[in-house]
Amino acid sequence: GDSVTQMEGPVTLSEEAFLTINCTYTATGYPSLFWYVQYPGEGLQLLLKATKADDKGSNKGFEATYRKETTSFHLEKGSVQVSDSAVYFCALSRSYGQNFVFGPGTRLSVLP
Amino acid sequence: SQTIHQWPATLVQPVGSPLSLECTVEGTSNPNLYWYRQAAGRGLQLLFYSVGIGQISSEVPQNLSASRPQDRQFILSSKKLLLSDSGFYLCAWSLGQGLNSPLHFGNGTRLTVT
Repeated sequence: GDSVTQMEGPVTLSEEAFLTINCTYTATGYPSLFWYVQYPGEGLQLLLKATKADDKGSNKGFEATYRKETTSFHLEKGSVQVSDSAVYFCALSRSYGQNFVFGPGTRLSVLP
Repeated sequence: SQTIHQWPATLVQPVGSPLSLECTVEGTSNPNLYWYRQAAGRGLQLLFYSVGIGQISSEVPQNLSASRPQDRQFILSSKKLLLSDSGFYLCAWSLGQGLNSPLHFGNGTRLTVT
């Protein structure tokens, strides 16, 4: 079945460091891909999305490119801030049942 | 614009007591609705989803149930809570058509069963 794999966390970085969180997927058809962010005690917020191959989603300095050839959707940010500390989830939406498949989440801690 | 309301924010219930969590969506019609559970420090588990009034699909067998009495209302219930029901419950919605619609989440309910 469809699945999403994320790099193991937690990831700890210093402020202004470069961030990469790897995400790869397995899916039939052509899924849409998403990154969500969850701050402590809150629900998930959509961070960015891409709906077809080579699309680049971007928001708040974060970027991710839909790479069909490597089935990847890695999240990047050039300079992280303490306020970026959160759990990040990669997800895909399937072509049937309107269901979504989430990765296990990657916890990011940014130190001042 | 669309908004999603979920309540209560926190709940402490004894084992064996009933449960009712409510979720409503405003600003859209005929959304797909979802209930997820997130155990402490873990990922998301889809519990139920609904594509229309009275249509409920269950993803995992358990002592929880869901109902959709109105187009934009989704209720999660239990007749008798178990300790293992503790967790963070999230309601979400998406548009009913197409792959491009993301999930939009509520702020969640933290349930502690004692």
